Amino acid sequence: AQKVTQAQTEISVVEKEDVTLDCVYETRDTTYYLFWYKQPPSGELVFLIRRNSFDEQNEISGRYSWNFQKSTSSFNFTITASQVVDSAVYFCALGGSSARQLTFGSGTQLTVLP
Amino acid sequence: GAGVSQSPSNKVTEKGKDVELRCDPISGHTALYWYRQSLGQGLEFLIYFQGNSAPDKSGLPSDRFSAERTGGSVSTLTIQRTQQEDSAVYLCASSLQGYQETQYFGPGTRLLVL
Repeated sequence: AQKVTQAQTEISVVEKEDVTLDCVYETRDTTYYLFWYKQPPSGELVFLIRRNSFDEQNEISGRYSWNFQKSTSSFNFTITASQVVDSAVYFCALGGSSARQLTFGSGTQLTVLP
Repeated sequence: GAGVSQSPSNKVTEKGKDVELRCDPISGHTALYWYRQSLGQGLEFLIYFQGNSAPDKSGLPSDRFSAERTGGSVSTLTIQRTQQEDSAVYLCASSLQGYQETQYFGPGTRLLVL
């Protein structure tokens, strides 16, 4: 069975602070896929990034960066210089060869205060 | 291009009535998924379609829930004899070829059963 844990239920920061959202996963698949989605107040899940298990290279996209570490089964997400528009619920998700679905974490509510 | 669309956006119904929720995937996407998002349960997988067939129905919570997909495109999720615990946001997603690919989500249908 697959499992995703987002231990941080809610995080509140002041604008321009950096913030890291944690994601820990469990899977028996040797090939798997990790995702981050953003859910703003409008409700739609917006795809942010995908990382394949065989590609441990970290990625940076503007103010967003992701740190994938197989040794600790973690896929953490950092927002640098946060902005009010970053306020949303962020979900980490796991897919793999043994499951035809995504397994989602419980989400982290990020609030960025002006 | 157009993303995943869902209708209706909101649905209020009375307990015991049947409801139909519609999903129109991204053009050319052969895989389609239904998920449910509720306060107590987070994001739960319901069913996966590859073309018109559903190789994974493991998430459907009861036999009151059914789904079909026609023409490899539009899908309908039907809930018969609705119960109050069916109140949730029903999310549809699609991916290009299969479950190993990135899923893109629609805006969801908010269902309230009175």
